[in-house]
Amino acid sequence: AQSVAQPEDQVNVAEGNPLTVKCTYSVSGNPYLFWYVQYPNRGLQFLLKYITGDNLVKGSYGFEAEFNKSQTSFHLKKPSALVSDSALYFCAVRAPYLDTGRRALTFGSGTRLQVQP
Amino acid sequence: DSGVTQTPKHLITATGQRVTLRCSPRSGDLSVYWYQQSLDQGLQFLIQYYNGEERAKGNILERFSAQQFPDLHSELNLSSLELGDSALYFCASSEGTDGYTFGSGTRLTVV
Repeated sequence: AQSVAQPEDQVNVAEGNPLTVKCTYSVSGNPYLFWYVQYPNRGLQFLLKYITGDNLVKGSYGFEAEFNKSQTSFHLKKPSALVSDSALYFCAVRAPYLDTGRRALTFGSGTRLQVQP
Repeated sequence: DSGVTQTPKHLITATGQRVTLRCSPRSGDLSVYWYQQSLDQGLQFLIQYYNGEERAKGNILERFSAQQFPDLHSELNLSSLELGDSALYFCASSEGTDGYTFGSGTRLTVV
């Protein structure tokens, strides 16, 4: 079975400071990892994904994530936070090499990011 | 606009009732996934259809069912509704590689 843990319910950071939102995963084989963001009363928006290749993945809105296989982590980062980054962030995982029809993502519980002006 | 359309956006209904949520996937996407987002349980995978066939089941209650039609739109049917079924229900579609596009969700309130 696959699972994702987001250990922090909320992360508070001042605008202009770097931010990190933590994610660890458990899956058989090499993981496919994703980050999504949810703004109030909106759906989930894709930020970035790791499938293979460089451990540092760059995504939308200046976000990046670092894949660490030995620590089974995929932390989301941004060098300088903006107030507009305040939202709910979800990490997700799925196992590789699944049938096309069986590729559901498993999500973490979400981390609320609050960026203070 | 993500390309995945969910209707209705909001639904208020009474306990014991039945509702149908609709999802139109992005053009060309064959897979449709249904998720439930509640305050205390995060995003839970319910069920997945691929080109009209059920392919995977998650934590879906027996009171809930779904189907995908020949035009690839999908419907999630929720019956004998309970207060605890109040949640945001998301649909996502995928073209079969590694892109998942989510709709804006249907907020169900059971009173």
